[in-house]
Amino acid sequence: TQLLEQSPQFLSIQEGENLTVYCNSSSVFSSLQWYRQEPGEGPVLLVTVVTGGEVKKLKRLTFQFGDARKDSSLHITAAQTGDTGLYLCAGADYGQNFVFGPGTRLSVLP
Amino acid sequence: DTGVSQDPRHKITKRGQNVTFRCDPISEHNRLYWYRQTLGQGPEFLTYFQNEAQLEKSRLLSDRFSAERPKGSFSTLEIQRTEQGDSAMYLCASSQSVGLEFFGPGTRLTVL
Repeated sequence: TQLLEQSPQFLSIQEGENLTVYCNSSSVFSSLQWYRQEPGEGPVLLVTVVTGGEVKKLKRLTFQFGDARKDSSLHITAAQTGDTGLYLCAGADYGQNFVFGPGTRLSVLP
Repeated sequence: DTGVSQDPRHKITKRGQNVTFRCDPISEHNRLYWYRQTLGQGPEFLTYFQNEAQLEKSRLLSDRFSAERPKGSFSTLEIQRTEQGDSAMYLCASSQSVGLEFFGPGTRLTVL
């Protein structure tokens, strides 16, 4: 069974600070997705990474896929209160069963 | 097109009753997924359709659970003889390419 671990589990920071959250597994994934979820809503896809070592930037968010395709990180620069939410990573093996981590709950305080 | 829709948004039922949820994916998307999410956890895979064919099912999907996508468009998820452990958010996602592209808002099930 493939497992994804995410760290930290909870993170509370002040607006304007930088942060990095991590997604780790002992398994290799063909692709990895990051999502943000707000209470009572479905997850919203932020990015998909497919190539080992790949770095993608989305405004203040930087996503990195590990060289071995077993881990990933999400870095947020100058966090804003609107970044508050549950950040989930999900990895795909070579089928269609996407495995999710437990998430990092981020709270950005004004 | 306003995205993936799910109905109902909330369902409260008594243990032992049957419930059915509906998912309407984005119209041109041929891939449809059902996931279940409990409080404080990430979503867990239940099943996957490509068009009308159910191609993958999780071992989590006991014989009390059944899903259909009869014409390759909307899908239904039925839970028979509900148990308290079935209480969760049931999420539907549709996709046209790699990854779970668009999730619906979910159906929150509470079994009393």
